[in-house]
Amino acid sequence: EDKVVQSPLSLVVHEGDTVTLNCSYEVTNFRSLLWYKQEKKAPTFLFMLTSSGIEKKSGRLSSILDKKELFSILNITATQTGDSAVYLCAVRERANAGKSTFGDGTTLTVKP
Amino acid sequence: GAVVSQHPSWVICKSGTSVKIECRSLDFQATTMFWYRQFPKQSLMLMATSNEGSKATYEQGVEKDKFLINHASLTLSTLTVTSAHPEDSSFYICSAYGLASGNEQFFGPGTRLTVL
Repeated sequence: EDKVVQSPLSLVVHEGDTVTLNCSYEVTNFRSLLWYKQEKKAPTFLFMLTSSGIEKKSGRLSSILDKKELFSILNITATQTGDSAVYLCAVRERANAGKSTFGDGTTLTVKP
Repeated sequence: GAVVSQHPSWVICKSGTSVKIECRSLDFQATTMFWYRQFPKQSLMLMATSNEGSKATYEQGVEKDKFLINHASLTLSTLTVTSAHPEDSSFYICSAYGLASGNEQFFGPGTRLTVL
């Protein structure tokens, strides 16, 4: 059975801090790993990672995948209160186009 | 990115009634749509995978007769919660995937169902 584990489950930081969110997985037929940000409604897409060692970056957010050790990290630098959300990691199988298994998420709270 | 809509965004119904939720891909053809359920402070749980023109594939533990899924066209999938009960109250989210969506699945905004 596919498994995605995120840590920590919750995190409280102050504005300006840097945070690292972790995602480890056990999946047969790995295709890609995805990071999402969920505020009050449905998740919004952040990154899709398919290759090891290649960092993806978008503003203050960056992510990298290690397919040998089966994990990924999501970094957020200079955090802002608007970064407060649940960050979800999901792993997609090679078969079953698009079918994804989600982790339980990390709830990030950024205090002013 | 591609746009996926859901309707209604929230619904309150009485126990025993049926509720239909629509998921539409607005600017691409969705060959596959996924239905998820999310309880408060929990992650997304995949309920079923729906391919256009064929029967949905349900995840283990999801009752096919209770959660009826229809994917009759490349832009529309529906989820009907039949004989709803309070324990069915949840946030239901669809996502759509197609070749033109850039190999990515896009989520609808979700439907909040409350069964009294």
